[in-house]
Order: sequence, then structure tokens, then C-alpha cells
Amino acid sequence: AQSVTQPDIHITVSEGASLELRCNYSYGATPYLFWYVQSPGQGLQLLLKYFSGDTLVQGIKGFEAEFKRSQSSFNLRKPSVHWSDAAEYFCAVGASTSGTYKYIFGTGTRLKVLA
Amino acid sequence: GAGVSQSPSNKVTEKGKDVELRCDPISGHTALYWYRQSLGQGLEFLIYFQGNSAPDKSGLPSDRFSAERTGGSVSTLTIQRTQQEDSAVYLCASSLRQSEKLFFGSGTQLSVL
Repeated sequence: AQSVTQPDIHITVSEGASLELRCNYSYGATPYLFWYVQSPGQGLQLLLKYFSGDTLVQGIKGFEAEFKRSQSSFNLRKPSVHWSDAAEYFCAVGASTSGTYKYIFGTGTRLKVLA
Repeated sequence: GAGVSQSPSNKVTEKGKDVELRCDPISGHTALYWYRQSLGQGLEFLIYFQGNSAPDKSGLPSDRFSAERTGGSVSTLTIQRTQQEDSAVYLCASSLRQSEKLFFGSGTQLSVL
């Protein structure tokens, strides 16, 4: 069965520090992978997506993610975190099964940014 | 509208009552999804519509939950005989086609007392 694991429930970093949020997936075929962000009081917004091609994908707000097939991972990174990045981050895999299509989300990582 | 609209934004109900949650997707989006978000549980898939049909109802937690979509547009999620464990944020999302990015509504916060 398809699944997404985000092993870190909470992460705290200082403003200006680098960030890496981990995501591992389980899916039999080549996955479509996504990162979404949910800021306080706001809906989920797409940060970036991977469908095929270059395994390093760039997203909005200075985020990037790298797809590593050998590790079944799609980790999200940012070189320098801003206070406004404090939010909850969700990794998701798009899975096609039996003619239907669903997005399976991880349990999320809540990011706290220290001034 | 410009985005996915959900109503009501908040709903407080008594245990045992029925509730209806509404989702207006972005015009032209053929795929529509319902998710439930509970504290510390991430997003739990409930149901997926392609047009008016629901090829995947596997996520509905029980037969108290049902959903429909009419005219390839508005969708309603109905919870009958609500229980306290139904308390959560119910999120609706739509996409132009399956495998495209999802656009989420702001959700309905359901509280069952």
C-alpha cells in the first residue's frame, strides 16, 4: 500500500539557519511527489512538485526538494529560514490505483522559527 | 470563484445530529477530493470525485458518511448521527485533472459536543 512518512513531528530552527524536512514514501511505481505548506489560519498551498526529469526541483518561497529514488525520499530544503516560514509542512504522493487517483499525505512537520 | 470555497467555516453540533458540509470547487476542475484533518493525524483521505462519479470511496470512515457531487461542480459531505470523534477540520480540494496540483479550501471546523 502507498504511504508517506514524515518522521519529524516538530522542528525548531533559528532564523537564518538552514532547514531540511524529511519525507519518505512507499509506492510501487514512479511517484508524483508534492510538498504543501499550511500557514496558521490559511489553507494548504503547493510549494513544489516532482513528476519526472531533474531530481532537484525548485519551488516557491526559496524552497527546493530532491527526489532520491534509491532512498525513497523527497526531502524539502531551504538555505536560510525566515520567521514567516513557521507553518506546518506536508509531503504527499500522488498514487494511481485501479483506475482511480488519490493523494496520500504524511502526518506533517510543524516548523517553529526562533528569532 | 477564484478559489475553492467551503461552507460553513465553523459548525458546532450536538452528538447524534446530522450535518452537511459544502464545497464549491474552482470552475472547470473535474477532480474533487475530501480530506479530514485531525490534530496530529495529518490529512486523512475520505473520497474522490471525477466529474459526478466517485470511483474511490474507500476512505469514508463509516456508513454514517456520504458525499455527492452534482453538475460536476458543488459537492456535499453529509455526516449522519454525528459522534464526538467526528470533530475535525474537513478539507475540500479540487484539481483541473487528476495528478495535477490540488487547490484547497479553507476547511470546515466541525465540533461535535
